Amino acid sequence: SQLAEENLWALSVHEGESVTVNCSYKTSITALQWYRQKSGEGPAQLILIRSNEREKRNGRLRATLDTSSQSSSLSITATRCEDTAVYFCATDTNAYKVIFGKGTHLHVLP
Amino acid sequence: EAGVTQSPRYAVLQEGQAVSFWCDPISGHDTLYWYQQPRDQGPQLLVYFRDEAVIDNSQLPSDRFSAVRPKGTNSTLKIQSAKQGDTATYLCASSSTGGESDTQYFGPGTRLLVL
Repeated sequence: SQLAEENLWALSVHEGESVTVNCSYKTSITALQWYRQKSGEGPAQLILIRSNEREKRNGRLRATLDTSSQSSSLSITATRCEDTAVYFCATDTNAYKVIFGKGTHLHVLP
Repeated sequence: EAGVTQSPRYAVLQEGQAVSFWCDPISGHDTLYWYQQPRDQGPQLLVYFRDEAVIDNSQLPSDRFSAVRPKGTNSTLKIQSAKQGDTATYLCASSSTGGESDTQYFGPGTRLLVL
């Protein structure tokens, strides 16, 4: 069963615009992670936000976590063509086992 | 620092054939994971090790899949008698316990096509 799920299959924006990817999850978590996977590569962690945190930033990336609604968002500002990738949210239910969603395909157009 | 390396990068098999995938984790990482990623889906955990011990293999189809990490460093994932449903990318990841972050570092994956 899918414990974490991104809300949209695909999104497209133009370079320079901002975009938000949303995720909902179904279980109690210790943390939620956002990953990016470019074509032909393995996933790379972008942000890890723990269950007692509400917001975390990493450069142009901002993640939020709402444990009451069991939801999270990842926002990217000033998008670039190289941000084109699949974005996954993943739940930590214990320290070392992570469950991935199906991903949102983001296309950043020139 | 070298990342996680995997080989081969691609494999094409007929149904019923066997294949092995090899993973070299980041040096010093004690935890190693194998994931299966079907096309257009997220990675799904198959098995993970702490050093040489299997911690969780509950999602590993034990009749045809096996994984070992004999010296707690490199690991091999083997599929006996592959099926078309095994077509996917097989990802290896590693992490280090005891640190502040639970970050898993992924290799580039092995793309398997079973005809």
